[in-house]
Amino acid sequence: AQKVTQAQTEISVVEKEDVTLDCVYETRDTTYYLFWYKQPPSGELVFLIRRNSFDEQNEISGRYSWNFQKSTSSFNFTITASQVVDSAVYFCALSEAGGSEKLVFGKGTKLTVNP
Amino acid sequence: DTGVSQDPRHKITKRGQNVTFRCDPISEHNRLYWYRQTLGQGPEFLTYFQNEAQLEKSRLLSDRFSAERPKGSFSTLEIQRTEQGDSAMYLCASSFFRGQEGYTFGSGTRLTVV
Repeated sequence: AQKVTQAQTEISVVEKEDVTLDCVYETRDTTYYLFWYKQPPSGELVFLIRRNSFDEQNEISGRYSWNFQKSTSSFNFTITASQVVDSAVYFCALSEAGGSEKLVFGKGTKLTVNP
Repeated sequence: DTGVSQDPRHKITKRGQNVTFRCDPISEHNRLYWYRQTLGQGPEFLTYFQNEAQLEKSRLLSDRFSAERPKGSFSTLEIQRTEQGDSAMYLCASSFFRGQEGYTFGSGTRLTVV
């Protein structure tokens, strides 16, 4: 069975600090996708990134970066120079490749960025 | 296309009543998913459609829940004889199978059963 663990329930930082959100996953599939979503207070889930299990290259998009390490089954998300607008709940998710491709979510990490 | 639309945004109902939610996906997306999210938890998969066919249902989807997607366009999720435990956010998402992007989620319908 697939499982995603986000051990950090809540994180609070001061603006401009860097912050890393941890994600550890379990799956028996050899091909799978990993995702990060942002859920601001408005409630809508906003897609941030999708990663194929065969692509272990780290990715950077502006202030966001992702570190995928298959050896430790981790897909961590770093926000550099955090801003108040980054305050939200962040979810890591996993899906099989093929079949339903339904998402299995972690419980989320609530990030609060204080001015 | 303005994304995935869900209606209503909020619904308060008395226990035992039936409720129906609607989801309008992105028009070119052939897959549509329903998820349920309770407070402090991540969304949990309920069911999905590819075009008009309902291909998988979670064990979370009791007999009181039914979902349809006539003609492969919009979808409805009906809950019969609502219970307080049904109170949650119901999220709809759509995607294009084998597409390169993740799902697009709607804003959800928040159900409160009193």
